[in-house]
Amino acid sequence: DVKVTQSSRYLVKRTGEKVFLECVQDMDHENMFWYRQDPGLGLRLIYFSYDVKMKEKGDIPEGYSVSREKKERFSLILESASTNQTSMYLCASRSGGRDTGELFFGEGSRLTVL
Amino acid sequence: GQNIDQPTEMTATEGAIVQINCTYQTSGFNGLFWYQQHAGEAPTFLSYNVLDGLEEKGRFSSFLSRSKGYSYLLLKELQMKDSASYLCAALDSNYQLIWGAGTKLIIKP
Repeated sequence: DVKVTQSSRYLVKRTGEKVFLECVQDMDHENMFWYRQDPGLGLRLIYFSYDVKMKEKGDIPEGYSVSREKKERFSLILESASTNQTSMYLCASRSGGRDTGELFFGEGSRLTVL
Repeated sequence: GQNIDQPTEMTATEGAIVQINCTYQTSGFNGLFWYQQHAGEAPTFLSYNVLDGLEEKGRFSSFLSRSKGYSYLLLKELQMKDSASYLCAALDSNYQLIWGAGTKLIIKP
């Protein structure tokens, strides 16, 4: 059964803390994505990666960074968390060379910043 | 700008049929996706349309009209487990997905 696993389902952090959200996929996919999901808004792309050590900014990269040291792992980093980063974060992966292919999502990480 | 519109919420009765509409405006177009997301769970792929017409997959069908910038998801013989949010997303000319806010479907017995 194919799987995208996010390290934490629920996190509570304080303003200014550094936050790591990890995502691992077991499908050997080249492409990985980080989205945030907020009520009343569509999914918004934060960063994506087409290959190891490659990263591309999405629509809302400010306040975030990413790391892709291994093909299966894509980490989202909040260097200094702020209350407006309270959200549901979704990781997704997709097979490379198939821009029209389906995305496989993780269960999500719900982050609350106090 | 790029935009996807879909109703915020719909209610239907178990056993009935419901149609969830989606209109899109994108810079170029390379297809339209529908995903299902149960509360607290990951979105899962339902369908992909790139050509005009209706594609049927069991109880679920998806329709696309490229000239009208319009798609719908048709769910037949509704079951309680179909209560979920349904996300519409269009693929633009750069193969980036533009997402709608989702339609929450409530099924009543």
